[in-house]
Amino acid sequence: QKEVEQNSGPLSVPEGAIASLNCTYSDRGSQSFFWYRQYSGKSPELIMSIYSNGDKEDGRFTAQLNKASQYVSLLIRDSQPSDSATYLCAVKGTGRRALTFGSGTRLQVQP
Amino acid sequence: GAGVSQSPRYKVAKRGQDVALRCDPISGHVSLFWYQQALGQGPEFLTYFQNEAQLDKSGLPSDRFFAERPEGSVSTLKIQRTQQEDSAVYLCASEDQETQYFGPGTRLLVL
Repeated sequence: QKEVEQNSGPLSVPEGAIASLNCTYSDRGSQSFFWYRQYSGKSPELIMSIYSNGDKEDGRFTAQLNKASQYVSLLIRDSQPSDSATYLCAVKGTGRRALTFGSGTRLQVQP
Repeated sequence: GAGVSQSPRYKVAKRGQDVALRCDPISGHVSLFWYQQALGQGPEFLTYFQNEAQLDKSGLPSDRFFAERPEGSVSTLKIQRTQQEDSAVYLCASEDQETQYFGPGTRLLVL
């Protein structure tokens, strides 16, 4: 079992729809969770961080964390073609400073 | 201010050659990380520095990989006797308050 798992996609949604990206992790002691966006040929760019159970909203983005289920998700409202990218879930495991990444979910927003 | 910079952006090496990849972190960032990203995968941790101290090198895949940060600022990742499986994007990140900021990466191709 991989430490951080994501569906590789592609996830295709029409413009204006809500995109829902999911991630599960294996280290129950993990405390810090991040969503990065990576355009093709570019480096990862931080979108959201979340540290406690519940929802965290920033503009069109909402991160959701459920530590009991070891599950973190990212919702993108009013999806735009410019949101088309790979979304990487990253977790800081127990006692670790480094990030453990999932393999990413490719999102395609259709105009 | 300036972000994380890396050089060279692209490197082609013949199998068996040594390569050196440079990372300039964001000024004042104490923590610096190196990751390796294979095509279609998320970044994988290589090594971590706090100032000039290399506190975690558990991700280095072999003793051909060596990293240093002698003055606590610029870091160099060196790969000796490169192999084809070393072909990947090498990402450097510096950290501020739990958030890691990535440089543009060095794309290494070993022929």
